[in-house]
Amino acid sequence: GDSVTQMEGPVTLSEEAFLTINCTYTATGYPSLFWYVQYPGEGLQLLLKATKADDKGSNKGFEATYRKETTSFHLEKGSVQVSDSAVYFCALDRRNAGNMLTFGGGTRLMVKP
Amino acid sequence: DSGVTQTPKHLITATGQRVTLRCSPRSGDLSVYWYQQSLDQGLQFLIQYYNGEERAKGNILERFSAQQFPDLHSELNLSSLELGDSALYFCASSLGQANTGELFFGEGSRLTVL
Repeated sequence: GDSVTQMEGPVTLSEEAFLTINCTYTATGYPSLFWYVQYPGEGLQLLLKATKADDKGSNKGFEATYRKETTSFHLEKGSVQVSDSAVYFCALDRRNAGNMLTFGGGTRLMVKP
Repeated sequence: DSGVTQTPKHLITATGQRVTLRCSPRSGDLSVYWYQQSLDQGLQFLIQYYNGEERAKGNILERFSAQQFPDLHSELNLSSLELGDSALYFCASSLGQANTGELFFGEGSRLTVL
């Protein structure tokens, strides 16, 4: 079945550091890929998405590129802020399967001033 | 604020009991999804409803059931509760059942079974 694997956290960085959170997936067909973010005490919010190979999703300084050859969708940000501290979830959505997202385990990011 | 409302925010109950979690989707959204978030299982899809009808089922136990009412709000019923059912239960909604991937999540209902 479909699965998403993320690097385990927590990831602790200093403000303005470079961020990479690794995500790889296993799925039949050509899924759409997503990053969701969960701030403390809140529900998940869509951060960015990519629907086909080589697409780059971007939002709020975060980027991720859909790499079909390596089945990866790594999240990057050039300079993190304290306000980016949250849990980040990678997810996939197989075409023609509605919005039944399959999530990774989540990666907690802690940014220190 | 996502526009999705879940009640109650916190619930503490005992093993063997039954609880009902309620979700009001964003205005205009026809699809409702339930997810369970626990420390050991991560975020697991439970069930989806679209305009009152069940559309997809995930890892939902037989002790759990859900429904979506004509006004589109949804309820998740959890019965014969066990310690392992302690988790954060999220409701999410989307406009349709098309493959867009953008779900709008509520803040969750935290269930503690003692």
